[in-house]
Amino acid sequence: DTEVTQTPKHLVMGMTNKKSLKCEQHMGHRAMYWYKQKAKKPPELMFVYSYEKLSINESVPSRFSPECPNSSLLNLHLHALQPEDSALYLCASSQIERGWEKLFFGSGTQLSVL
Amino acid sequence: AQSVTQLDSQVPVFEEAPVELRCNYSSSVSVYLFWYVQYPNQGLQLLLKYLSGSTLVKGINGFEAEFNKSQTSFHLRKPSVHISDTAEYFCASQAAGNKLTFGGGTRVLVKP
Repeated sequence: DTEVTQTPKHLVMGMTNKKSLKCEQHMGHRAMYWYKQKAKKPPELMFVYSYEKLSINESVPSRFSPECPNSSLLNLHLHALQPEDSALYLCASSQIERGWEKLFFGSGTQLSVL
Repeated sequence: AQSVTQLDSQVPVFEEAPVELRCNYSSSVSVYLFWYVQYPNQGLQLLLKYLSGSTLVKGINGFEAEFNKSQTSFHLRKPSVHISDTAEYFCASQAAGNKLTFGGGTRVLVKP
């Protein structure tokens, strides 16, 4: 199994809603990532979990709250988002190969905030 | 600090024609270099990588790239494109222990 699975694929939410994005991998990778991608732009790193501990937070607003319940699962909890948060949210996991990290990406959740 | 510049935001190309996507990088230390492809409504997929050794690297789907240290470039090429190659292509660099740095992306539109 070389897949990173993200659910839901699409999400529409209001600015007062609370929702969660989910990500799952069964490749035994110990690093997992959240990226945000606006249309026609490269992905921007949000968070990195290493061995289930948050290791990088790229100054992301607190309305985004990551959680890593176990080594296979990664969640992103959303609350009080703004319309400018509408984007494709990508999850990735990685393995170390000869000193470099090979990233495996999920297909993403397309989020629209109304 | 690292940076990656993709010189073309869009490249239209006819089917079965060759294509070259240009990428230049800047770094004060040695970096690994990558090309990722993103098909519509998909995540990113690794096309190829340069770690060390031979400067010509071959990847999946008939793509290859050449590392040129003196010109700090890592251009991607394919001799004959298919309609299915229509996608966004990202060049990226990574220094040891650092996060991946992406270029701005190049949208390839293959026309019949």
